[in-house]
Amino acid sequence: GAVVSQHPSWVICKSGTSVKIECRSLDFQATTMFWYRQFPKQSLMLMATSNEGSKATYEQGVEKDKFLINHASLTLSTLTVTSAHPEDSSFYICSASNGGYNEQFFGPGTRLTVL
Amino acid sequence: GNSVTQMEGPVTLSEEAFLTINCTYTATGYPSLFWYVQYPGEGLQLLLKATKADDKGSNKGFEATYRKETTSFHLEKGSVQVSDSAVYFCALSGPLSYAGNMLTFGGGTRLMVKP
Repeated sequence: GAVVSQHPSWVICKSGTSVKIECRSLDFQATTMFWYRQFPKQSLMLMATSNEGSKATYEQGVEKDKFLINHASLTLSTLTVTSAHPEDSSFYICSASNGGYNEQFFGPGTRLTVL
Repeated sequence: GNSVTQMEGPVTLSEEAFLTINCTYTATGYPSLFWYVQYPGEGLQLLLKATKADDKGSNKGFEATYRKETTSFHLEKGSVQVSDSAVYFCALSGPLSYAGNMLTFGGGTRLMVKP
């Protein structure tokens, strides 16, 4: 149980295009989903937290107009990187929780490369 | 605020050697403590956790004890295998907010086990 999937697992796009990454909880209802960014050989940086049906809460320094997050249902959250640039290239990881003290379950990550 | 400090890597060991990866934390209240493992190109997997002082988390031969007096949660394994080569992240939970259980990660420690 507690499986989280991400799609796509990797994506290469041209500068200026937008890319959407999906995060799904496959066997539980995720009231909260978290989006992280990981640079090579570094730790995870929390980008934003979203609760189903409400606006995401972004961490300081994360541009909400750049990284659009939609948590439309209890099993799906999407991260859209708008007008991507090479500096947006990174490994993006989502996690899901059914709230409270319950642990987060992590997706396998999506590697984004912007040319 | 909360913070997690873990020893810098890489840690290089021979197969069957003893492993210790140090982790210390700063937190308000009584956080839960976690060790996650990340294999190359993948997301994070929960390795073990402890939710209160003196608890010992264990899994796959790995152990860590929640030491409140030294604010530590060191990861140990008596005999490492080549397949244990990965990056290990220490993390703590908190504060509990409307968004559920927030995680704070350490910087990660890369372990390389040679045959």
